[in-house]
Amino acid sequence: NAGVTQTPKFQVLKTGQSMTLQCAQDMNHEYMSWYRQDPGMGLRLIHYSVGAGITDQGEVPNGYNVSRSTTEDFPLRLLSAAPSQTSVYFCASSRLAGVGTQYFGPGTRLTVL
Amino acid sequence: AQKITQTQPGMFVQEKEAVTLDCTYDTSDQSYGLFWYKQPSSGEMIFLIYQGSYDEQNATEGRYSLNFQKARKSANLVISASQLGDSAMYFCAMSAQGAQKLVFGQGTRLTINP
Repeated sequence: NAGVTQTPKFQVLKTGQSMTLQCAQDMNHEYMSWYRQDPGMGLRLIHYSVGAGITDQGEVPNGYNVSRSTTEDFPLRLLSAAPSQTSVYFCASSRLAGVGTQYFGPGTRLTVL
Repeated sequence: AQKITQTQPGMFVQEKEAVTLDCTYDTSDQSYGLFWYKQPSSGEMIFLIYQGSYDEQNATEGRYSLNFQKARKSANLVISASQLGDSAMYFCAMSAQGAQKLVFGQGTRLTINP
């Protein structure tokens, strides 16, 4: 099993550009989520999904969009990148929502100029 | 709402000593989970240990144990016989039944000195 994979590992964007961060898991987990980590801080939830076709907002959803067409994939779209979105982005999945253990991908380091 | 507090921004420990990383939490939920994650300098988030709120025994995973004191709302991580490879950021986190997210503390940077 590859676990949770994320692409790309690094990305530099200009203000106003859009892009999609990819996330995939091969563990047949129902629950998937996106977090961002800013310097010196813990992780904050952006969006999450409890199954294919179902998504919802987390703590910091503005400027991001998600969809979940399959159990395996959960892409995160930046609609119009801003310097405030410079961060490290982590995708995570778990078998169960709520108290289920979440397993994280390796992260994507995004810089917006 | 859930909240996690880690009061130690940084800790320095000699190799082979035991170390305790503090974590206190706040929640009104009866059913919740407590987690510790390790983030080495390479950046990935590594799951270490989990404690459920109804678990009567403290969780253990190899050299890691979770000192769970429910009445005090604390969930400290204990690392026995520390190693140089334990140097990393450590995050305490919690989730609650029906809450679709992990809430993280700000982390503790642990440095193991040879």
